[in-house]
Amino acid sequence: QLQLQESGPGLVKPSETLSLTCTVSGGSISSSGYFWGWIRQPPGKGLEWIGSIFYTGTTYYNPSLKTRLTISVDTSKNQFSLRLTSVTAADTAVYHCARPHGNYWGQGTLVTVSS
Amino acid sequence: QAVVTQEPSLTVSPGGTVTLTCGSSTGAVTSGHYPYWFQQKPGQVPRTLIYESSSKYSWTPARFSGSLLGGKAALTLSGAQPEDEADYYCLLSYSGARVFGGGTKLTVL
Repeated sequence: QLQLQESGPGLVKPSETLSLTCTVSGGSISSSGYFWGWIRQPPGKGLEWIGSIFYTGTTYYNPSLKTRLTISVDTSKNQFSLRLTSVTAADTAVYHCARPHGNYWGQGTLVTVSS
Repeated sequence: QAVVTQEPSLTVSPGGTVTLTCGSSTGAVTSGHYPYWFQQKPGQVPRTLIYESSSKYSWTPARFSGSLLGGKAALTLSGAQPEDEADYYCLLSYSGARVFGGGTKLTVL
């Protein structure tokens, strides 16, 4: 049974970079042909797709975040990561890593952008 | 970026039937958009209910079904139960990039 766990700072200052890592356990990130994604949910609002990556490194980004976003994968560590630069208060949200196919989700981590 | 539209809210009576829809600003939703449907209850992580328009998982209650209907993706709930009260989100693929709909708040009342 796959398990996903997000890790990273819960507080980021405005204009700085938000970095999160998703560690996959119980299976190899390389063994499936499905996409791994980052999804966020601002408090009281809906889900937003941030971007996704395949184990090959192919990425797809939300166009509204594309200029600030990097998603990468480290198959040796069975991890994939998110890097979002120049954050503002609008980036405050619960961030989930997930493989939606098969219903594999991390518990989510609240990231607050504040000085 | 494409905009994916859902009904903001719907109400269904216990035991009743309701259809939630998911439309695309780019035109008809097709199987090529690989529609997913998710259920999210307050304070919980989303749960994937339907993938690729109509495929279910072992944990998907039989009363939920997915389809393509009138140019939209649809999630039909037949025989609503109180525990089905939740937010429902669809997710469409646009050549690999994904977009969520705004979500439908379903009330069972």
